Amino acid sequence: NAGVMQNPRHLVRRRGQEARLRCSPMKGHSHVYWYRQLPEEGLKFMVYLQKENIIDESGMPKERFSAEFPKEGPSILRIQQVVRGDSAAYFCASSPSPGTERRPYFGPGTRLTVT
Amino acid sequence: AQKITQTQPGMFVQEKEAVTLDCTYDTSDQSYGLFWYKQPSSGEMIFLIYQGSYDEQNATEGRYSLNFQKARKSANLVISASQLGDSAMYFCAMREVNMDTGRRALTFGSGTRLQVQP
Repeated sequence: NAGVMQNPRHLVRRRGQEARLRCSPMKGHSHVYWYRQLPEEGLKFMVYLQKENIIDESGMPKERFSAEFPKEGPSILRIQQVVRGDSAAYFCASSPSPGTERRPYFGPGTRLTVT
Repeated sequence: AQKITQTQPGMFVQEKEAVTLDCTYDTSDQSYGLFWYKQPSSGEMIFLIYQGSYDEQNATEGRYSLNFQKARKSANLVISASQLGDSAMYFCAMREVNMDTGRRALTFGSGTRLQVQP
């Protein structure tokens, strides 16, 4: 059973460009969380999605950031008009139906560098 | 107020010795979960151990054990017989349930960098 997959693993963007980060949850998992880790900090919750629904985006910056989890395909975290402060590691974690899992399963992360 | 506090930015330990990494948490929920993750220099988040708030026994996983003191709201990680490969960042995290949305996100501490010396 493949784990959570994220791609790309490393992404370099110039200021003003768009970044698209993908997360494929574990098979059978329908809940996805995105986290951001700024340098020398712990991970911080951004958004919680189920298939075709954004459940909680309270941790997401109000502008330039969006997320989706379509019926088919991976979850996408999209950052428009990137700025240097967006440079970070972005992790997604997946879980099956809530309340049944002991732990979320993290992907390897995407390291975004904005030049 | 910080939900998860890790007061040791860095720790050193001699190979083969035991080390305790501190973690205190703040919650008013009765049901919650506590986690420890290891993040080596390669960057991935490696799950180490989990403790549920209703678990009466302290969790253990191989060389890792979690010293859970509920009244003190502490969840310290103990690594026995340290190995050079244990050198990494270690994060304590807590999961609470948001009753409005059902969100079960983790809240992480700022981490402790452990260096194991030969």
